[in-house]
Amino acid sequence: DAGVIQSPRHEVTEMGQEVTLRCKPISGHNSLFWYRQTMMRGLELLIYFNNNVPIDDSGMPEDRFSAKMPNASFSTLKIQPSEPRDSAVYFCASSHRPGGGTEAFFGQGTRLTVV
Amino acid sequence: AQSVAQPEDQVNVAEGNPLTVKCTYSVSGNPYLFWYVQYPNRGLQFLLKYITGDNLVKGSYGFEAEFNKSQTSFHLKKPSALVSDSALYFCAVRALGTGFQKLVFGTGTRLLVSP
Repeated sequence: DAGVIQSPRHEVTEMGQEVTLRCKPISGHNSLFWYRQTMMRGLELLIYFNNNVPIDDSGMPEDRFSAKMPNASFSTLKIQPSEPRDSAVYFCASSHRPGGGTEAFFGQGTRLTVV
Repeated sequence: AQSVAQPEDQVNVAEGNPLTVKCTYSVSGNPYLFWYVQYPNRGLQFLLKYITGDNLVKGSYGFEAEFNKSQTSFHLKKPSALVSDSALYFCAVRALGTGFQKLVFGTGTRLLVSP
């Protein structure tokens, strides 16, 4: 298995532009997570999907952020409009169960820079 | 709410020496505990986990961790460090409970192994 695949690996955009990050989870996994990593705040869970349905989006910072999972093999995280403070590394992770003792598998991340 | 503390920002150790990366947690009830490693420009990789049973857990790359309930700790250890172990290490905790329980990460500890 290729693992969790994220694209793009790097994104540089201007403030105010729309940014879309993409994720392909591991086949057979039915839970998907979006995390954001910054020096100041560490790793933060933004949103969690189970069976393609958003279960917990309490970590989404504001309405500029939205996430979708139209099918079991694809998810997007969109920021519109983007701001410099959104600069971070965004990770997608998947697991075959939503919680308990199940570990999540992470993609390599998308490094977003908003200038 | 659950939380994780990694008291050391950085740990330095010489190759061949034993290493310990510290982690303490706070959670209501019994925890699920995890260690992940992050190499530069990569996602987090799962190392090991504690769910129940034996307090000493063995994981990937020769790492192990000891669950100590009385001290609420889950320190990561390795008997003999390698230069290639140099990376960022994250401890994480998830509470037992019904419904979705978030995986909460510590701030990370950078391990530097010198030749």
